[in-house]
Amino acid sequence: DTGVSQNPRHKITKRGQNVTFRCDPISEHNRLYWYRQTLGQGPEFLTYFQNEAQLEKSRLLSDRFSAERPKGSFSTLEIQRTEQGDSAMYLCASSSDTEAFFGQGTRLTVV
Amino acid sequence: AQSVTQLDSHVSVSEGTPVLLRCNYSSSYSPSLFWYVQHPNKGLQLLLKYTSAATLVKGINGFEAEFKKSETSFHLTKPSAHMSDAAEYFCVVNPDNYGQNFVFGPGTRLSVLP
Repeated sequence: DTGVSQNPRHKITKRGQNVTFRCDPISEHNRLYWYRQTLGQGPEFLTYFQNEAQLEKSRLLSDRFSAERPKGSFSTLEIQRTEQGDSAMYLCASSSDTEAFFGQGTRLTVV
Repeated sequence: AQSVTQLDSHVSVSEGTPVLLRCNYSSSYSPSLFWYVQHPNKGLQLLLKYTSAATLVKGINGFEAEFKKSETSFHLTKPSAHMSDAAEYFCVVNPDNYGQNFVFGPGTRLSVLP
């Protein structure tokens, strides 16, 4: 399968714990995006990489959130000291031209 | 600031009847526009895109959309709805065509009645 891959698909964690998600983009895509989607809402932009450079971060990305793309290939999104409000679907997308291709997301539940 | 408005949060049609999902955008530049579909528990799938070529764009599964700059609209249509079209539909704008950000509308849930 050559699509965008996200792991894990589901994560349940206790409030206050740290979690890390991984995204493997389509191999030739130099742009990578993270979005968050809550129930009944459209995806909200979190951050964007071009190759290994993080070029844009949303105000939604608080200090507890950090994203990396160390070699310009896969990316990780870490949430420290999780809160119940962090419960959402976290979507990754990659792009080489005009459109973005999305993974199936990681559903985070903070209990 | 760029934004997308989807005028209907929920649209319900009968199978075999036309579908119209409305989208209006605001952008400082000439944007790229997209429609994505999201079926339950599945990822976002691109239906079609407009990138400053033909204003009438044809997509997958019989969907099409027309870019109207004067109305800042990009409405999605399909002549005849199928049960499998029931899903959430998102209108998306890429404000500056350089792929730096994709701004999503709130979505329209399409129900198809037998």
